[in-house]
Amino acid sequence: AQKITQTQPGMFVQEKEAVTLDCTYDTSDPSYGLFWYKQPSSGEMIFLIYQGSYDQQNATEGRYSLNFQKARKSANLVISASQLGDSAMYFCAMREGRGFGNEKLTFGTGTRLTIIP
Amino acid sequence: GAVVSQHPSRVICKSGTSVKIECRSLDFQATTMFWYRQFPKQSLMLMATSNEGSKATYEQGVEKDKFLINHASLTLSTLTVTSAHPEDSSFYICSARSAYSYEQYFGPGTRLTVT
Repeated sequence: AQKITQTQPGMFVQEKEAVTLDCTYDTSDPSYGLFWYKQPSSGEMIFLIYQGSYDQQNATEGRYSLNFQKARKSANLVISASQLGDSAMYFCAMREGRGFGNEKLTFGTGTRLTIIP
Repeated sequence: GAVVSQHPSRVICKSGTSVKIECRSLDFQATTMFWYRQFPKQSLMLMATSNEGSKATYEQGVEKDKFLINHASLTLSTLTVTSAHPEDSSFYICSARSAYSYEQYFGPGTRLTVT
């Protein structure tokens, strides 16, 4: 089974609208962390937001928020007021386990987001 | 802070030659570095994890004799693709983690083309 599933290969969104990128995960480990990264066409991986499995509140970072639904094993990324510069590939990733030595990241297949002016 | 560089950013080499890619943490000491490979329009796949001063741990299916990883210092890890073939053409990305954080900081990537 896939550990990280991103079901939207591509999305087109009008500028200034909010967008939700889906991510579901599969793990039996009670301790894990979920990450979202943005990869523009230049290739670098830009860290956006992190959610720990024991965090009580949904993570937020500026225009980015993570809709964490633990029972459903979903960690959707919400981008508010989208901008043209948000056009990029977006990857969801998971780290399983606690403690150093367990920091391997497993990535989803990504969602290509295109913002339409 | 937390800047990771990679060199070169692009390299073209002939089939059969070896290519070395450097990954440097510029403003922190990286106790662990990770090497990923990304084919066009695909996700990142972890190749290996390297800890400073010890042998790298390779993921299943990654040939350790073909992809030589050296993490000789707390700020530098190198990936050498030996006897490169066209199927090794890919985007190689490293990331680094300090001893004090779970977060991985990614380098800008190296695009390797083998002709």
